[in-house]
Amino acid sequence: NAGVTQTPKFQVLKTGQSMTLQCAQDMNHNSMYWYRQDPGMGLRLIYYSASEGTTDKGEVPNGYNVSRLNKREFSLRLESAAPSQTSVYFCATYSPGQTNYGYTFGSGTRLTVV
Amino acid sequence: QKEVEQNSGPLSVPEGAIASLNCTYSDRGSQSFFWYRQYSGKSPELIMFIYSNGDKEDGRFTAQLNKASQYVSLLIRDSQPSDSATYLCANDMRFGAGTRLTVKP
Repeated sequence: NAGVTQTPKFQVLKTGQSMTLQCAQDMNHNSMYWYRQDPGMGLRLIYYSASEGTTDKGEVPNGYNVSRLNKREFSLRLESAAPSQTSVYFCATYSPGQTNYGYTFGSGTRLTVV
Repeated sequence: QKEVEQNSGPLSVPEGAIASLNCTYSDRGSQSFFWYRQYSGKSPELIMFIYSNGDKEDGRFTAQLNKASQYVSLLIRDSQPSDSATYLCANDMRFGAGTRLTVKP
């Protein structure tokens, strides 16, 4: 039982390059999220998906796109990377139930844009 | 804009002491609140959640919620060096910036 799996764990991009961050969960949760974490700024929501087939913008969506491919997978795409997108990216799922209540995070992707 | 705010710290306490972490929120409609612990270089992990006014205890941890005053707190009793981490308060998809706690032996 892997929980939430993110790939890759580390990535260096040149300005203007594109890439997709992958996230997969085996927890059968409907809701999935993408956050970025920068020093001193906590976790900021980029996009979320309340259920398969739906996506919504969060606090900082500019420069990103997402795809909820199916219930298990939620990907984040940077079309033209900028140095301001250097950050640690976390994918998370959310369970409203009494067991495993709350957010479960993947191990993160450390992205550097040079 | 709906926000969750925490004292950025850092907070330093001696081993065995009580560590008190505080969080305020702006959305009066918020129902559930979470405390996460994040070790350096790791992902956040859930410590506790609370959705009723009052206290909720789990081992050395006690979460307190006061909806009238819109604050949530986390008390860590008998603090251990292994509790040294950043603690994040969260509700409704929003996270605070975190408070860095150091427990000194």
